[in-house]
Amino acid sequence: DAGITQSPRYKITETGRQVTLMCHQTWSHSYMFWYRQDLGHGLRLIYYSAAADITDKGEVPDGYVVSRSKTENFPLTLESATRSQTSVYFCASSEPGAGTRVGQFFGPGTRLTVL
Amino acid sequence: AQSVTQPDIHITVSEGASLELRCNYSYGATPYLFWYVQSPGQGLQLLLKYFSGDTLVQGIKGFEAEFKRSQSSFNLRKPSVHWSDAAEYFCAVGPSNQGGKLIFGQGTELSVKP
Repeated sequence: DAGITQSPRYKITETGRQVTLMCHQTWSHSYMFWYRQDLGHGLRLIYYSAAADITDKGEVPDGYVVSRSKTENFPLTLESATRSQTSVYFCASSEPGAGTRVGQFFGPGTRLTVL
Repeated sequence: AQSVTQPDIHITVSEGASLELRCNYSYGATPYLFWYVQSPGQGLQLLLKYFSGDTLVQGIKGFEAEFKRSQSSFNLRKPSVHWSDAAEYFCAVGPSNQGGKLIFGQGTELSVKP
């Protein structure tokens, strides 16, 4: 399917477990982003990537790890999940330059619950 | 500091009434400005954007927004709201470079009364 997909869509895990959220886009966009959405905070940037093997921290990176070995994939790993990481996670992609004017394209989100 | 403020957390309007959602930003340079809409359980969809030129921009679903540099505002408007417009709306600001890394406001939830 064309576009940007996230998996799983829903995940329940326990405190201390490692969890990986997947993000895949078919446009070959250079930039990819991970956000978390929480009530009262809107969307906050966790990590972003300008290209394969180039990643950088956003506003709330603690407790998360990312990698980007291929342009189309940008997995987000919670190394040891905590209850405060219960949230809805959105992946997005964009293209710099002229594509920046189009804004970012968002995936459908992953709802993560940490018990 | 760069920031986006949406002063209204929740707004309720009657179907057919006009709508204005407020957005103020703080940014060091000329920004790109966006409005996104999020329907329940869905991802974000771009409504409209401003990066230069005419300060009144038209978007999808009958929405428009006006950029006012002197007020650092980018308010979203719609002349007649439909029940299907009930959703959460996010204003965002980004640089003209850096691949579009965006700063989002907290969001405004819109409810529509029949």
